[in-house]
Amino acid sequence: NAGVTQTPKFQVLKTGQSMTLQCAQDMNHNSMYWYRQDPGMGLRLIYYSASEGTTDKGEVPNGYNVSRLNKREFSLRLESAAPSQTSVYFCASSVVGGGYTFGSGTRLTVV
Amino acid sequence: SQQGEEDPQALSIQEGENATMNCSYKTSINNLQWYRQNSGRGLVHLILIRSNEREKHSGRLRVTLDTSKKSSSLLITASRAADTASYFCATVPQAFSGNTGKLIFGQGTTLQVKP
Repeated sequence: NAGVTQTPKFQVLKTGQSMTLQCAQDMNHNSMYWYRQDPGMGLRLIYYSASEGTTDKGEVPNGYNVSRLNKREFSLRLESAAPSQTSVYFCASSVVGGGYTFGSGTRLTVV
Repeated sequence: SQQGEEDPQALSIQEGENATMNCSYKTSINNLQWYRQNSGRGLVHLILIRSNEREKHSGRLRVTLDTSKKSSSLLITASRAADTASYFCATVPQAFSGNTGKLIFGQGTTLQVKP
């Protein structure tokens, strides 16, 4: 099925551990995004990539890094996880000016 | 900071009734979009309305946009139990529309449709 694939779906980390969330899309979209969703906060943009080779900070970038590996893949890395990064993470892709296609999310718990 | 604010935060109706959700935003926009999120799932794009459009329909969905009041509404007609979900409005501020469609989301309206 065409769409956005995120891995893993669930993850538990200890404080200070690192991990990379993977995202791949097969719709030939130029733009890709990482959001986090917390109760009562809606979705907040962490990083985005307007096109292959470019990345920019969103609203809440601290503690995260991203890599736009190629047009299909956009990964999010937590270098030293903190309990405040417990959240549900969504990757999305789009053409400029169009609707987003979201992945099914990664539920991350940092203990 | 949130660009969009949905109202009400929660809505409970009977199957067959209409559901109306409202969204207000702060800055001039390029377009406004509505998304649905079922519990534990990703968001699904419902409809996009551009700043020069006033109304748009898709099946049982009707979206209006009033740029003078910086507000939008989503109407779901003849609701079904399967419409139970959270609904989010999201905007592309004009300041950010140059090279990316960066969306800013509101906090959502939780809709419960009782059978």
